[in-house]
Amino acid sequence: QVHLVQSGAEVKNPGASAKVSCKASGYTFTTYVMHWVRQAPGQRLEWMGWINTGNGNTKYSQNFQGRVTLTRDTSASTVYMEVSSLRPEDTAVYFCMRGAIIAHFDYWGQGTLVTVSS
Amino acid sequence: QSALTQPASVSGSPGQSITISCTGTSSDVGGYNYVSWYQQHPGKVPKLMIHDVSNRPSGVSNRFSGSKSGNTASLTISGLQAEDEADYYCSSYTSSTAYVFGTGTKVTVL
Repeated sequence: QVHLVQSGAEVKNPGASAKVSCKASGYTFTTYVMHWVRQAPGQRLEWMGWINTGNGNTKYSQNFQGRVTLTRDTSASTVYMEVSSLRPEDTAVYFCMRGAIIAHFDYWGQGTLVTVSS
Repeated sequence: QSALTQPASVSGSPGQSITISCTGTSSDVGGYNYVSWYQQHPGKVPKLMIHDVSNRPSGVSNRFSGSKSGNTASLTISGLQAEDEADYYCSSYTSSTAYVFGTGTKVTVL
């Protein structure tokens, strides 16, 4: 069955970067797009972007353009989400989700809490 | 991209039906039949409940149904049960090949 397993929680200082991984299993990695969303404490879901795991093409939300980078390692069936210039308001749970460029999100990772605090 | 608008809270008694609205624009909800709904219990991972406006994934109760009219999509939960108490989010594909989520609705079973 499909599994998306994310890396563990991180604590970062303001201005630093965080890199979260999402390892996929149970399906052909390159046939689905991987999306990322985040959810600040008590707040709504916020879509961040997607990466085409087949060709590496990316699309980012305007809210995160320039601060978020999505990459993938097809040999490891893993997608990475890096967010730079962290601010306290970036404290959130970050989720990866399987989908398509035009579709829904059918499988989700367990979430990774990134805490930004000095 | 602004968030889709949902009511902050909706409540109902067990056995009743409730409807959650999700209002966007012609660039998202109104322009595409790619609206989906997610259920999230506290501290848990969101779960897909409806996709492509009205399609239910395998394993989701038929008490959940979706529809759309113009720029507003709706999720209806019939025969409300205690386990339905959760937060619900709509999501839509947009004209810029991006996605947008709703503001979220807390469903309370009285």
